[in-house]
Amino acid sequence: AQKITQTQPGMFVQEKEAVTLDCTYDTSDPSYGLFWYKQPSSGEMIFLIYQGSYDQQNATEGRYSLNFQKARKSANLVISASQLGDSAMYFCAMRELPSSGGGADGLTFGKGTHLIIQP
Amino acid sequence: GAVVSQHPSWVICKSGTSVKIECRSLDFQATTMFWYRQFPKQSLMLMATSNEGSKATYEQGVEKDKFLINHASLTLSTLTVTSAHPEDSSFYICSAREAEISNQPQHFGDGTRLSIL
Repeated sequence: AQKITQTQPGMFVQEKEAVTLDCTYDTSDPSYGLFWYKQPSSGEMIFLIYQGSYDQQNATEGRYSLNFQKARKSANLVISASQLGDSAMYFCAMRELPSSGGGADGLTFGKGTHLIIQP
Repeated sequence: GAVVSQHPSWVICKSGTSVKIECRSLDFQATTMFWYRQFPKQSLMLMATSNEGSKATYEQGVEKDKFLINHASLTLSTLTVTSAHPEDSSFYICSAREAEISNQPQHFGDGTRLSIL
C-alpha cells in the first residue's frame, strides 16, 4: 500500500488565487514528520514546510500553510496568493520514527502534483 | 541555510562505464546522507542511506554491487554506478540532514542527470 498519496497529478490555477494540494499518508507509527518540497523544472528540491505528528498547531511558512488533520491522516499544502513562480512539481513526504528506534530514516515521497499557475 | 553540493550536474557516457557522483555538505557535518533516484515524471525513490564510517543501508531491490556508496567523511558521500547501462539512466539526487532531530528537513543537492548511451 502507498504510504503517501497525492491524488492530483496536475492542477491549473489562476494567478493570485489560493491553491490546496492534497496529501494523505499511511503509518502505524505514532511519531512521524510530514514535509512538503517544491521541485522546479531545473530539478532541485526546495523544502517548503514541516509538520510533526505531535504538533498541536498547523505549520505556516510565509504563503505556505499546512492543513493537518491527524485523524484523517491528511496533510494538505495551502499556497495563498499564488504566483507564476509557484509553477512546479510539489511533493509530499513522510519520515517515520518508529518507537523501537530503528526503521527507515529516509523520506517516502508521494507521486507529486504538477502545479501550473496561469496569468 | 544548509547547503548540499552535488557534482556533476550532468553525465553522458557509454554503456559499461562506471560513474561517480559526489555529494557534499558545505556548511554542516552530516553523519547520514541519503541517495534517491527519480525517473522522468515520477517521484523520488530512496535508494540507500549513507552512514559515515560504516556500510550503507540499501533499500529493497537496490543492488549493492551496482550502486557503491562510500561515506568517508562527515561532509562527503559518493555514489558510484558501476558498469552503467542505459536502464541506469536517471536523475540521482542526494540529501543530508543537519542534525538527528525529527523536524529537521533534509537538504537536497541539485541532482545529477545520468544518461547512458
